[in-house]
Amino acid sequence: SQKIEQNSEALNIQEGKTATLTCNYTNYSPAYLQWYRQDPGRGPVFLLLIRENEKEKRKERLKVTFDTTLKQSLFHITASQPADSATYLCALEGSGYSTLTFGKGTMLLVSP
Amino acid sequence: DVKVTQSSRYLVKRTGEKVFLECVQDMDHENMFWYRQDPGLGLRLIYFSYDVKMKEKGDIPEGYSVSREKKERFSLILESASTNQTSMYLCASSLLAGATNEKLFFGSGTQLSVL
Repeated sequence: SQKIEQNSEALNIQEGKTATLTCNYTNYSPAYLQWYRQDPGRGPVFLLLIRENEKEKRKERLKVTFDTTLKQSLFHITASQPADSATYLCALEGSGYSTLTFGKGTMLLVSP
Repeated sequence: DVKVTQSSRYLVKRTGEKVFLECVQDMDHENMFWYRQDPGLGLRLIYFSYDVKMKEKGDIPEGYSVSREKKERFSLILESASTNQTSMYLCASSLLAGATNEKLFFGSGTQLSVL
């Protein structure tokens, strides 16, 4: 069956360091992958989309890579700040029309 | 910016009650979705709709129904609420039906407690 795995343990890092979050998937051949940010008690907010023919995508301090051979995406936040503390979700196309299936998310905690 | 509005932030209902969760989007999006989010289980798709009066089952439709009478409004209905339906419910929308790379815009969620 299709599976999306994100590290369930929170990632604790110090301000200014680079945070790297991992999204692994099995039994998928996605044409694209998306990353979302979710703050406590709020809905997820879209951050980045990367297509299967793109190795890397950047937006300000964010960088996403997509390795279809390893079936893995890495999400990097450089020069992290306490305001980056949130849960980050990856998502792949679901089995339904225009749907997305989400990983369970990884919580990032950036300490000053 | 797209706005997806869910009618209630918090709801408390009793077992057996019929519950309506309302969602409205203001950007003429074709697709609308209902997810529930539970600790340890993540976001799971309940139902979605790609057009008025159209509805499709997601991964966990049991115990739920939906209604889409107008393009901007998508309602989730719990016919007879049960305690295992206590959850955060999230509505989302995306622009084009049939597109496979559309980003989702989410509402702020409704935390439903069924006692």
